[in-house]
Amino acid sequence: GENVEQHPSTLSVQEGDSAVIKCTYSDSASNYFPWYKQELGKRPQLIIDIRSNVGEKKDQRIAVTLNKTAKHFSLHITETQPEDSAVYFCAASNRKYGNKLVFGAGTILRVKS
Amino acid sequence: DAMVIQNPRYQVTQFGKPVTLSCSQTLNHNVMYWYQQKSSQAPKLLFHYYDKDFNNEADTPDNFQSRRPNTSFCFLDIRSPGLGDAAMYLCATSKSGTSGGGNEQFFGPGTRLTVL
Repeated sequence: GENVEQHPSTLSVQEGDSAVIKCTYSDSASNYFPWYKQELGKRPQLIIDIRSNVGEKKDQRIAVTLNKTAKHFSLHITETQPEDSAVYFCAASNRKYGNKLVFGAGTILRVKS
Repeated sequence: DAMVIQNPRYQVTQFGKPVTLSCSQTLNHNVMYWYQQKSSQAPKLLFHYYDKDFNNEADTPDNFQSRRPNTSFCFLDIRSPGLGDAAMYLCATSKSGTSGGGNEQFFGPGTRLTVL
């Protein structure tokens, strides 16, 4: 089945700096890649997603890039703010497995003010 | 607002005492999922329903069962909870995937289960 690896496991940045989280996936047939943000004690919430027919997507301070050849995708957060502090999960989805999400292990992002 | 609702938000049960968690949705999504999430870990899929079709993950213990009586409701039954079953249980819904693949999953607020 699909396997998703996520790095780093923790990331500390200074407020205003950029943060980058990277994920790799194993099955080249995966075609949907969402990113979820989960604050302590709360539900995961989708912040951005990308499909395999595009290479980059941006929404204000958040962007995702996808490299299908290398089978990796990355989350970029610019001008980080303290409220960006949370756990971020990447995931991959594949029709072969019923479009279930396979999650990465998560990245704890701390934005220091 | 359309949403995914879970009840109760907090559930305390005794070791071995059956417990049922519930999930309802007003999104009219045909796919519903149950995840288990332990501290500092990613959500782990237990099973999902594609319409009425039940799909169990290979490593989901037999202790966990589910029912989906209609589109809006889904239940998670834990027949004999053990200490290792203490976790956050998340329900999620999505529309079935288009030809382009998966769709966004909308998560409920979760039920935190404590086993004494």
